[in-house]
Amino acid sequence: DQQVKQNSPSLSVQEGRISILNCDYTNSMFDYFLWYKKYPAEGPTFLISISSIKDKNEDGRFTVFLNKSAKHLSLHIVPSQPGDSAVYFCAASRARGTYKYIFGTGTRLKVLA
Amino acid sequence: DVKVTQSSRYLVKRTGEKVFLECVQDMDHENMFWYRQDPGLGLRLIYFSYDVKMKEKGDIPEGYSVSREKKERFSLILESASTNQTSMYLCASSSKQGLDTEAFFGQGTRLTVV
Repeated sequence: DQQVKQNSPSLSVQEGRISILNCDYTNSMFDYFLWYKKYPAEGPTFLISISSIKDKNEDGRFTVFLNKSAKHLSLHIVPSQPGDSAVYFCAASRARGTYKYIFGTGTRLKVLA
Repeated sequence: DVKVTQSSRYLVKRTGEKVFLECVQDMDHENMFWYRQDPGLGLRLIYFSYDVKMKEKGDIPEGYSVSREKKERFSLILESASTNQTSMYLCASSSKQGLDTEAFFGQGTRLTVV
């Protein structure tokens, strides 16, 4: 069973506009959520995270929103740039649990110049 | 800067061979992980280790084993490689210090089994 789901396999956005990537989870025990960015033939790099005690975390052009009641998080990128074109993975963890990270299937973002 | 290094970027092995994938981290992290990435399936956890000589199965451990004899090194072993183990393998590490901490990944090993 897929505990972390990214239902959109791909997304295309015009440069300068907002990119919104979505992620849903099923396990209410998750209390720490992360977004990673991955370029082809490279390992994922950490982008931004959010603890379950917050509903928003911002870092420059990147903002993550968490809706615990809906078990949903989203990543907003504003403004989108061509260099943001990559695969984005969301991940969830139980910070007070076994420390393992469960990843979604990824969303491929293409930012059009 | 955290560095997670995987021994090979690309590997080609024959069916039935025993394959070793090595991973070393230099930040004294307690936790280490092996994932595989396949199109449409995302990153799936194979095994993880939260201490030396300790290991736990992830979601897809069949056909794999691991070894962690030293804190900085975590090895993934394919006992008898099969074509369905052709994949991108990713090693990661994280610290136990603090409750909210991210995992740091290596550059990946693209394994092809022929």
